[in-house]
Amino acid sequence: KAGVTQTPRYLIKTRGQQVTLSCSPISGHRSVSWYQQTPGQGLQFLFEYFSETQRNKGNFPGRFSGRQFSNSRSEMNVSTLELGDSALYLCASSLGDDVAWFFGPGTRLTVL
Amino acid sequence: GNSVTQMEGPVTLSEEAFLTINCTYTATGYPSLFWYVQYPGEGLQLLLKATKADDKGSNKGFEATYRKETTSFHLEKGSVQVSDSAVYFCALINQAGTALIFGKGTTLSVSS
Repeated sequence: KAGVTQTPRYLIKTRGQQVTLSCSPISGHRSVSWYQQTPGQGLQFLFEYFSETQRNKGNFPGRFSGRQFSNSRSEMNVSTLELGDSALYLCASSLGDDVAWFFGPGTRLTVL
Repeated sequence: GNSVTQMEGPVTLSEEAFLTINCTYTATGYPSLFWYVQYPGEGLQLLLKATKADDKGSNKGFEATYRKETTSFHLEKGSVQVSDSAVYFCALINQAGTALIFGKGTTLSVSS
């Protein structure tokens, strides 16, 4: 069974631009969550979706948004990029009725 | 609120040495606990988990026991290998099962 896939793997943007990251969960998994990883703040939860509904949201500004499609694939969008948004963005998926979350390889976003 | 504290790194060991990485948590109730590992340039891999008190999670020679008396979930391995060099994260899941709360991570470096 294929793991969680994320595209693109690397992105370079400039301040003020917006970006969309994509995540395809493990087949059969209905929950998707997103995390931001930075050297200073570590791993921080962004949001979680189950069956196209956002069930939980972390403490991030409204510039960070996400959605989930009917096939469980998910996207997250960051608008008006700031230098501090440079990070590894990780997507994870879960069956929805199990506590185990499985992570993708991440998208490395660099904001110049 | 929920939080995870793990020992600061880096931890530097010789091959075949015994490994312990300490992890303690603060949480409401008895959340499921996890250890994840991150190899350079990759996402997080679930190493092991424990879902209730006194459970022992194990995988690839690593073990951790859920101790509710000491609110701890220390990671151990009897004989480390160079290939175990990575960053290890202790985590708990919130009551709704929608978000992981991670420790800051501990870098392990094993030399031959």
